[in-house]
Amino acid sequence: AQTVTQSQPEMSVQEAETVTLSCTYDTSESDYYLFWYKQPPSRQMILVIRQEAYKQQNATENRFSVNFQKAAKSFSLKISDSQLGDAAMYFCAWGPTGNQFYFGTGTSLTVIP
Amino acid sequence: DAGVIQSPRHEVTEMGQEVTLRCKPISGHDYLFWYRQTMMRGLELLIYFNNNVPIDDSGMPEDRFSAKMPNASFSTLKIQPSEPRDSAVYFCASSFAGGGPYNEQFFGPGTRLTVL
Repeated sequence: AQTVTQSQPEMSVQEAETVTLSCTYDTSESDYYLFWYKQPPSRQMILVIRQEAYKQQNATENRFSVNFQKAAKSFSLKISDSQLGDAAMYFCAWGPTGNQFYFGTGTSLTVIP
Repeated sequence: DAGVIQSPRHEVTEMGQEVTLRCKPISGHDYLFWYRQTMMRGLELLIYFNNNVPIDDSGMPEDRFSAKMPNASFSTLKIQPSEPRDSAVYFCASSFAGGGPYNEQFFGPGTRLTVL
């Protein structure tokens, strides 16, 4: 079965500091994609960053970067220079080449001023 | 592009009533997904369509739930009869298989359903 696990239900970070959210997944597929979505209080799901499994280089989007370890099936999200607007629920998602995504249970991030 | 459109944004109904949620995917997208989000279960995939055809409805909780996609620009999720445990936020998302390697899903704003 395909599963995605986010072991940290809640995290907090001081403004301007760095925080890492963890995600692990289980699959027998060799080619797939990984995503981090952000859900602020507005409920809107927003794509933060994505990673192709066949790429060894970790994806980076401004202050957001990932640590992708394929052998360990780990896909963590690092947020640098945290801002108040980063406060949200973060979901890790896994998807094979195609369409259906599998989401984790989410990590609620609080940013402390 | 207006993005994925869902209506209504909020729905309050009484137990036993029929509820219909609506979704308009992004023009040109060929996949459409319905999700349910609750505190207890997180984000669950209910059903998804490809080119208006239901591909996997194994996530639909009960026969009370049904979904249709009569054309490429419209889908409905119906609950009949509704129960209090159906209270949740329901999201619609769409994606385009030929839009690049990622098949990113674009989400609508969700419908918050409350069944009293």
